[in-house]
Amino acid sequence: DAGVTQSPTHLIKTRGQHVTLRCSPISGHKSVSWYQQVLGQGPQFIFQYYEKEERGRGNFPDRFSARQFPNYSSELNVNALLLGDSALYLCASSLAGGETEQFFGPGTRLTVL
Amino acid sequence: GEDVEQSLFLSVREGDSSVINCTYTDSSSTYLYWYKQEPGAGLQLLTYIFSNMDMKQDQRLTVLLNKKDKHLSLRIADTQTGDSAIYFCAEGPPGGGYNKLIFGAGTRLAVHP
Repeated sequence: DAGVTQSPTHLIKTRGQHVTLRCSPISGHKSVSWYQQVLGQGPQFIFQYYEKEERGRGNFPDRFSARQFPNYSSELNVNALLLGDSALYLCASSLAGGETEQFFGPGTRLTVL
Repeated sequence: GEDVEQSLFLSVREGDSSVINCTYTDSSSTYLYWYKQEPGAGLQLLTYIFSNMDMKQDQRLTVLLNKKDKHLSLRIADTQTGDSAIYFCAEGPPGGGYNKLIFGAGTRLAVHP
């Protein structure tokens, strides 16, 4: 079975632009969470979606938004990019909300110039 | 408050045991996790322990939990060069169908011959 997949692998944008990152969870998993990992730090929770509804949100500005589709894949959108948004964006998949095990994808490396 | 702290760096000789330590603050967390991240990759779930357990062993990995002191450790027996990576301690999820994990900054393990 395929694990969590994310696209694109790498992305370069300039300040003020908009970006969309994509995640496909493990087959059968209905919950997707997004994390931001700035270089040299641990991942920070951005969003959780379960059954297409937002179930939790971390301390991130409204420039960050996400949605989950009927097939449980998810998109993370970031508007008005800042240099500080440069990071590895990780998607985690789990069977449901509040599950013990979450499995992470390889991440999308976003560089904002 | 929510905070997870780890020492930043550990160097061991190949064949020795490695012990990575972590302290956490949220006593409501149900599980405590260890994830491994290799360069340029996502997070790999290594093991986890329920918060009412003291110890869990899984092949070369031993997790010890001191709930009174909110101290978690990961022991890797017979450390190999392939174990060189960043190890993240994480606490969560807080319950209620919420998947949020809180990560430490990571401990970089360097294994030398």
